[in-house]
Amino acid sequence: GQQLNQSPQSMFIQEGEDVSMNCTSSSIFNTWLWYKQDPGEGPVLLIALYKAGELTSNGRLTAQFGITRKDSFLNISASIPSDVGIYFCAVGGSQGNLIFGKGTKLSVKP
Amino acid sequence: DGGITQSPKYLFRKEGQNVTLSCEQNLNHDAMYWYRQDPGQGLRLIYYSQIVNDFQKGDIAEGYSVSREKKESFPLTVTSAQKNPTAFYLCASHPLPGTGELFFGEGSRLTVL
Repeated sequence: GQQLNQSPQSMFIQEGEDVSMNCTSSSIFNTWLWYKQDPGEGPVLLIALYKAGELTSNGRLTAQFGITRKDSFLNISASIPSDVGIYFCAVGGSQGNLIFGKGTKLSVKP
Repeated sequence: DGGITQSPKYLFRKEGQNVTLSCEQNLNHDAMYWYRQDPGQGLRLIYYSQIVNDFQKGDIAEGYSVSREKKESFPLTVTSAQKNPTAFYLCASHPLPGTGELFFGEGSRLTVL
């Protein structure tokens, strides 16, 4: 099946630092989304991108939909302890489903 | 409030037993999905349904069964044929048509003893 390559797999950062993670695919997709999952909970949508080249912000989060439609990145500025969790990129599948990357686990040192 | 409710939150099962996970939504969404999550594996699609009385296999349907008798409900049965059922199971819904945000429940953690 189709795969998304998400990196890094995990990262430890100091509070206040900026974070960057990305997602790539060998196929073109018209919808890219970024979710965050807290421990023991379901994923929650952070940002949705529907147009190639689009740059969208949500508070301290910024995400871009790559111009080739094969990649996206997510940046978190000035990280805080509550940013801990797993971040997933996802793309729109052919049946209304989403295809997910394997996630980036973020741990913040207080 | 509108949302998706999964139950139970935690479930323990002996080997050889079937177990059914409940998923109910009051968002009036047409499509519902079941994903399985294992550490380091992301979310993998088990089954999905876009309309009542119809459902389709996802990438890892073997050992699972579903039904969609009502728009609001999409229960998942983990059968004894599923070789490695211990996992975190997530139900989601989407209004259709097109692609976009999925709304997730809080998940059910199944442990086989």
